[in-house]
Amino acid sequence: DAEITQSPRHKITETGRQVTLACHQTWNHNNMFWYRQDLGHGLRLIHYSYGVQDTNKGEVSDGYSVSRSNTEDLPLTLESAASSQTSVYFCASSERRDYEQYFGPGTRLTVT
Amino acid sequence: AQKITQTQPGMFVQEKEAVTLDCTYDTSDPSYGLFWYKQPSSGEMIFLIYQGSYDQQNATEGRYSLNFQKARKSANLVISASQLGDSAMYFCAMSLFSGGGADGLTFGKGTHLIIQP
Repeated sequence: DAEITQSPRHKITETGRQVTLACHQTWNHNNMFWYRQDLGHGLRLIHYSYGVQDTNKGEVSDGYSVSRSNTEDLPLTLESAASSQTSVYFCASSERRDYEQYFGPGTRLTVT
Repeated sequence: AQKITQTQPGMFVQEKEAVTLDCTYDTSDPSYGLFWYKQPSSGEMIFLIYQGSYDQQNATEGRYSLNFQKARKSANLVISASQLGDSAMYFCAMSLFSGGGADGLTFGKGTHLIIQP
């Protein structure tokens, strides 16, 4: 069965370190997204991609970057982790913009 | 910029009763979609139902229906015959379709629904 996976599921890192969160989907979807979830804020869009070599900034993109070298993967990089980036991160994908997004299980990141 | 408002931070409902979760949205774009997601305590995001701005009829999916009132910019989720397993966070979300592709979802802050036996 097609799926979307994220790794690691939990990570603790120190302030200033570079961190990369992986997202892999086997749906063959062109559209992929990264969100963060914080108490009191719901989910907020970080970056998104329409396809290979395409990336776009979302609402809260400062301090994050993504790259899309193939259809299946959209890794999220925190260039220099900050305590404000402690959050749960969700990756999602969709076949079309008017179709539902399928979400990964999430990565809980703690920056100390 | 688009905005989603969910005014009920938490709700307690008796099992088997119907539940209405409120959602209002704000956008000037004529083409958009409205989504509801469920997030149980385990943390995964589960898609429930979708309504397009040009859809003439309210969407239904099993026990879920969406009460779409375009003029009032509301998209309330109705759960019929609630079950204990419906206890979860519920998020309303919107996507705009005016661009060339998918620009992501804008989420409300959610409603924490607790079903009591």
